[in-house]
Amino acid sequence: EAGVAQSPRYKIIEKRQSVAFWCNPISGHATLYWYQQILGQGPKLLIQFQNNGVVDDSQLPKDRFSAERLKGVDSTLKIQPAKLEDSAVYLCASSLSSDSNQPQHFGDGTRLSIL
Amino acid sequence: AQSVAQPEDQVNVAEGNPLTVKCTYSVSGNPYLFWYVQYPNRGLQFLLKYITGDNLVKGSYGFEAEFNKSQTSFHLKKPSALVSDSALYFCAVRDDKIIFGKGTRLHILP
Repeated sequence: EAGVAQSPRYKIIEKRQSVAFWCNPISGHATLYWYQQILGQGPKLLIQFQNNGVVDDSQLPKDRFSAERLKGVDSTLKIQPAKLEDSAVYLCASSLSSDSNQPQHFGDGTRLSIL
Repeated sequence: AQSVAQPEDQVNVAEGNPLTVKCTYSVSGNPYLFWYVQYPNRGLQFLLKYITGDNLVKGSYGFEAEFNKSQTSFHLKKPSALVSDSALYFCAVRDDKIIFGKGTRLHILP
């Protein structure tokens, strides 16, 4: 089966600019996650979708970050305006369902550098 | 609140020797525990999970993990290390949400 697809792989922007990331989960996976992975740390959950609804966005900095999954398949994560501390790898993952025993399948991420 | 700790930033093991990567956790209810591996410039790959049942869980690439409820640990093990096992390993615990440890870099020496 095709894996989780993310684009772009790399992005360099200046602070205060905006940026968007795209994710296509594994076909049939109802649950989609966005993570932020700062260098030297484990992934931190930003937002979790179940189909096109938000399940958990408690750690999403909502003043600058937004995400959507309008048709319950693809998803986009946006940052506007970007800050220096947003430099990180943004990982998208999907799973068959939101059940806690389900493993997650990760994309290769988008590496964001803020100048 | 749930938490997970990986006490070692890096583990060095000679090829062919057994390896252990440590993980301890704290969760209020019954834990769901996972191990993932990350290769350079790649996303995380699922290795194995503990949900319930046998305390010794077998996973991909010859890895296994031992769940110890009294010590709240879930250490990752492999009987004979390969150079290709060199990567970043993450332990994760899931209660209401999933939390990842900070990762342990495993370096297998030829």
